[in-house]
Amino acid sequence: ETGVTQSPTHLIKTRGQQVTLRCSSQSGHNTVSWYQQALGQGPQFIFQYYREEENGRGNFPPRFSGLQFPNYSSELNVNALELDDSALYLCASSGQGGPDTQYFGPGTRLTVL
Amino acid sequence: AQSVTQPDIHITVSEGASLELRCNYSYGATPYLFWYVQSPGQGLQLLLKYFSGDTLVQGIKGFEAEFKRSQSSFNLRKPSVHWSDAAEYFCAVGAADSSYKLIFGSGTRLLVRP
Repeated sequence: ETGVTQSPTHLIKTRGQQVTLRCSSQSGHNTVSWYQQALGQGPQFIFQYYREEENGRGNFPPRFSGLQFPNYSSELNVNALELDDSALYLCASSGQGGPDTQYFGPGTRLTVL
Repeated sequence: AQSVTQPDIHITVSEGASLELRCNYSYGATPYLFWYVQSPGQGLQLLLKYFSGDTLVQGIKGFEAEFKRSQSSFNLRKPSVHWSDAAEYFCAVGAADSSYKLIFGSGTRLLVRP
């Protein structure tokens, strides 16, 4: 167990809808990263938050947005859902904004119909 | 651009046999390297990591990996595989920017024959 939790576990949405995924970081960690893992692929980096500020973004459109709260929990928001957004969404927390080990949560499985 | 290649999509080994999973990376400086394991429908569990120092690193569950700069490789090994090791294995490198985001390979699925 890493101490990183995510909710919900599973989610089904229809194309065009909006979704919010949540992540609670491991105690003492101030950095959270979000990844998208499509079926049969490795995780792809979406963005990272360090002390409530965005600290890097991958090749994802602006309809993917995030927040980090003072308690270092985090949200991933996706607007105007597309079928290709169906994936496992993973968050990972780490203890500093540097080359630290990232500890992953169990993920949220999003299905877009 | 940084990248990770895992050349084997699937590997099947018999229980008790040795295992080596290959990982090659493309990186301009000293890389931060990781191996993670993922069981079906689960998140990623860290097996081991290399930041610096001894190039042979020990991890959990009896796994080890060796960093070879000359070959740009970080192969994962285990001397005797157990049925419970069946899973997907991902090699990753930490990016050379302020986020140190992880760049993953496409994974190797390990099947274990009884």
